[in-house]
Amino acid sequence: EDQVTQSPEALRLQEGESSSLNCSYTVSGLRGLFWYRQDPGKGPEFLFTLYSAGEEKEKERLKATLTKKESFLHITAPKPEDSATYLCAVPGDNTDKLIFGTGTRLQVFP
Amino acid sequence: GAVVSQHPSRVICKSGTSVKIECRSLDFQATTMFWYRQFPKQSLMLMATSNEGSKATYEQGVEKDKFLINHASLTLSTLTVTSAHPEDSSFYICSAPSSGLAGDRLGDTQYFGPGTRLTVL
Repeated sequence: EDQVTQSPEALRLQEGESSSLNCSYTVSGLRGLFWYRQDPGKGPEFLFTLYSAGEEKEKERLKATLTKKESFLHITAPKPEDSATYLCAVPGDNTDKLIFGTGTRLQVFP
Repeated sequence: GAVVSQHPSRVICKSGTSVKIECRSLDFQATTMFWYRQFPKQSLMLMATSNEGSKATYEQGVEKDKFLINHASLTLSTLTVTSAHPEDSSFYICSAPSSGLAGDRLGDTQYFGPGTRLTVL
């Protein structure tokens, strides 16, 4: 069964304290892995798409990487405005429907 | 970039009334759109796939007569919650796959609307 698991469930960081979020997946043929950021009361905001193992993408303090079994979202020197829930998702087998992980709630304190 | 809008952003209604939520792709066309609901501190739950020009396909356990979906054009899908009850109170979000936008493979990335908060009294 296709599955996406994110860890940790919640993460509290001091401003400037770098860390990583994990997304592991089990799908037979990966057709992309997507990272989103969601603020409370808002829809998910697209961050990155990764297609193949070894691929990396960066945006400001965020860098996403992909292996054959998992993806990492690295946050370098985070700021309070990076506080949000980060979701990863993959398309299921033979479908465009996205399978979401349960997300990581990140809180960055000044 | 790809922009998806939803209207209204917030709605409060009495039990037994029907509520319509609109989802629009503003700068691209979408033959398919997806409708999700999200409860507090939970992830998104896919409700149905909206298909332009044909019937929507619903996920298991979602009542199609309760949640009516109409995909009237390549830029508009509507979700109508019929005879709403307090247990239908939730955050409803739509998404649409991109269509050949720069940097994306065709149809691969889904862009989400800002969501609609439904409260049924």
